[in-house]
Amino acid sequence: NAGVTQTPKFRVLKTGQSMTLLCAQDMNHEYMYWYRQDPGMGLRLIHYSVGEGTTAKGEVPDGYNVSRLKKQNFLLGLESAAPSQTSVYFCASSYFKRDRKLYEQYFGPGTRLTVT
Amino acid sequence: KQEVTQIPAALSVPEGENLVLNCSFTDSAIYNLQWFRQDPGKGLTSLLLIQSSQREQTSGRLNASLDKSSGRSTLYIAASQPGDSATYLCAVRGRNMRFGAGTRLTVKP
Repeated sequence: NAGVTQTPKFRVLKTGQSMTLLCAQDMNHEYMYWYRQDPGMGLRLIHYSVGEGTTAKGEVPDGYNVSRLKKQNFLLGLESAAPSQTSVYFCASSYFKRDRKLYEQYFGPGTRLTVT
Repeated sequence: KQEVTQIPAALSVPEGENLVLNCSFTDSAIYNLQWFRQDPGKGLTSLLLIQSSQREQTSGRLNASLDKSSGRSTLYIAASQPGDSATYLCAVRGRNMRFGAGTRLTVKP
């Protein structure tokens, strides 16, 4: 199993440009997440999905959109990039068993995005 | 709103020392707590997950405890090695997942 993969690994954008980050998992997990990590602030949840075709807002959703058209993929879009979106973006997935609540999250390697 | 705090922010110890990393959280209504390791420029690797009904979990030289009532968790690392050098993050699962800012550990040979 490849686990959770993310593409691209690095990207530099100019202010106002758009891009899409792709996350893929081959573990058949229902839940998928997008986080951003900034120095000294830990990880913050941007958006998440509890299943194919569903998405929900996290802690810092503004400026981002997501889609989950297939169970194994979760896309994060930036329509008009801003310097404040310079960050490292992590995707994660997890599965759910009602009797044990949510199990552990598995993380991708991250995408380092710089917006100039 | 859940707040997760990790103290200290950085820690440097000589090889072989036993050490404790601390994580505190403000809302005790949690499902579970997870400890991660992050190497520079890398993603997060799950170390231990403690369900809210559990008091501790062990994996090799690692032992994590959870005291929900006081809002605390500790990660104990026995006989530390230079390869343990990394940033350690705790994350609390309530309605959403909340992360601490991490403790950067350096183990000197």
